[in-house]
Parts: sequence; structure tokens; C-alpha cells
Amino acid sequence: KQEVTQIPAALSVPEGENLVLNCSFTDSAIYNLQWFRQDPGKGLTSLLLIQSSQREQTSGRLNASLDKSSGRSTLYIAASQPGDSATYLCAVKSSNTGKLIFGQGTTLQVKP
Amino acid sequence: EAQVTQNPRYLITVTGKKLTVTCSQNMNHEYMSWYRQDPGLGLRQIYYSMNVEVTDKGDVPEGYKVSRKEKRNFPLILESPSPNQTSLYFCASSRGIGRGETQYFGPGTRLLVL
Repeated sequence: KQEVTQIPAALSVPEGENLVLNCSFTDSAIYNLQWFRQDPGKGLTSLLLIQSSQREQTSGRLNASLDKSSGRSTLYIAASQPGDSATYLCAVKSSNTGKLIFGQGTTLQVKP
Repeated sequence: EAQVTQNPRYLITVTGKKLTVTCSQNMNHEYMSWYRQDPGLGLRQIYYSMNVEVTDKGDVPEGYKVSRKEKRNFPLILESPSPNQTSLYFCASSRGIGRGETQYFGPGTRLLVL
């Protein structure tokens, strides 16, 4: 059974710092891995989607990497801003079931 | 604007009183899904639908029903809500379940069952 783990559960950093969020998964049979952002009282917004054949994806200050063989992904946020404060969720799409399996999220606070 | 809408956004009810949470998408997506989000457990899939009149159980379907009579709508029905169904519910949709498909999520419905 696929399990997705995110570490740390919570993170607080001063504005301007570069930071890394971690995601690990137990089954390498995946179509893709996605990073989502969740703001309080709002739904999930897709940030980056990495196909299983890809190593990384970039969007602005965000860079996500994927190492399928080791079951790991990282989300790198450069020059963090208070507006980056949110919960970040990692999810893998199983190639066996087509379902999205979510991690529990990392809650990020960026202090001005 | 392409979006997934859910109603109501907040709901307080009592044990046993039937309720329906509506979900609608305007992107002509074939795949729709319901999740619940609980502290420490993350998002778990309740039910999903591959197309009109095609629904299937997710990981935590007990106590829930769904229907897919129209492509754009996918209501979640709680016939007899219980306190353990207090949760944050999300509806999502996508064109399909292919490799590159991303799911679009609604804003969530926060349910409290007393």
C-alpha cells in the first residue's frame, strides 16, 4: 500500500530564506508526483506536477525534484516571502490504481 | 472562470439528519472525486466517478453516497450523519486519470455533526 510522508510537519522561517520541504513515498509505481498549496479556508492549488520520467520542474521561485528510485521528492522555495505561508501537500498518482495519495502536509510560516 | 464549486461552505447539523453537499465543475471534466481531510490523516478519497452514471468507492466510503447523473455535478450525500463524519470535505475534478492530468479542487466544505 502506497504511503506518503512529509517532513517536517511544520516550519517557521524568516523572510528571505531559501527552504526545502521533503516528501517520501513507499511505492515507486507512480504516474506522477504533485505539489499542492492549501490556504486556510480555501481549496488546494496545484503548484507543480512532475511526471515519473522527469527529474524536476520549476515555476518561478519554486523548484520540485523527483527521485523515483529512492521514493523522494523535494520542494525548494527560494527567497521566501510572507505570502508563501500556507500548507504544502505532496501527492503521488499511483500507476496501479490511478488514485492520488496525499501526504499530511507541511505547514509553512514565513515571518516578515 | 474555470472552477469547482461546493455548497454549502460551512454546515452544522445534528446526528441522523440527512444532508447533501453539492459539487459542480464547469470544465467538462469526466473525472470527479470527493475527499475528506482530517488532522493527522491527510486527504482520503471517499468516492470517485469516471463519467456519468459511473461511480466507485474510494478508501473511506462508509456512511456516504454519491450520484453522477450529469457530467458537471457530483453531490455527496450523508443519509444519517454521525459525529465521526465531522471533517473538511473537498470535491475535485480532472479531464481523466491519465499521467499528466492534474485535479482541480473546490474550496472545501467544513461540516460539524453534533
